[in-house]
Amino acid sequence: SAVISQKPSRDICQRGTSLTIQCQVDSQVTMMFWYRQQPGQSLTLIATANQGSEATYESGFVIDKFPISRPNLTFSTLTVSNMSPEDSSIYLCSVKTNLGANEQFFGPGTRLTVL
Amino acid sequence: AQKITQTQPGMFVQEKEAVTLDCTYDTSDPSYGLFWYKQPSSGEMIFLIYQGSYDQQNATEGRYSLNFQKARKSANLVISASQLGDSAMYFCAMREGWGGNTPLVFGKGTRLSVIA
Repeated sequence: SAVISQKPSRDICQRGTSLTIQCQVDSQVTMMFWYRQQPGQSLTLIATANQGSEATYESGFVIDKFPISRPNLTFSTLTVSNMSPEDSSIYLCSVKTNLGANEQFFGPGTRLTVL
Repeated sequence: AQKITQTQPGMFVQEKEAVTLDCTYDTSDPSYGLFWYKQPSSGEMIFLIYQGSYDQQNATEGRYSLNFQKARKSANLVISASQLGDSAMYFCAMREGWGGNTPLVFGKGTRLSVIA
């Protein structure tokens, strides 16, 4: 399995500010994804983080609001820009390893509260 | 259209009893994988079990088994001998295509409460 760490684990932010969340994996992975889980809801895919190129965003998510970087095979960042209270969620990094088609793991998540 | 449907928002089960959590899916891709995850109150997503569309046998992992009925497009999770620690949200998810490079799509989840 892959060990995934996320920083910060939680944060409380003011409206209008931005927060960058880091995701670090202990081994090279083929795919990295960012999900959002709003309070009491399921997980929604924000984007697929592509190494060395622009992320692939899902409908309803745009690069200006959620810029993503993936400079190498083990690290990615998600920025939540110009935050509003509606951005209060858990943000989860998820990776697919090279070990098989049935392996996909999640980081511990970042709990974001926007005041 | 919903690709993953979990019709039970909440379920209760007596400790030591078995419980079935329902999941139906919708895809036209012949190659797909079905996953179940557990999310306790701490928020982490814990991978439980996987079933591939071409797997002939139902997947089992310890107390977890997946009742895969391909013709009905259902992939129900069965937890045997429930424990208090099984109380959590359970999510069914699907990945379409072969090779595993497409993202998982999740259902809305079922909250399981185990009663002593």
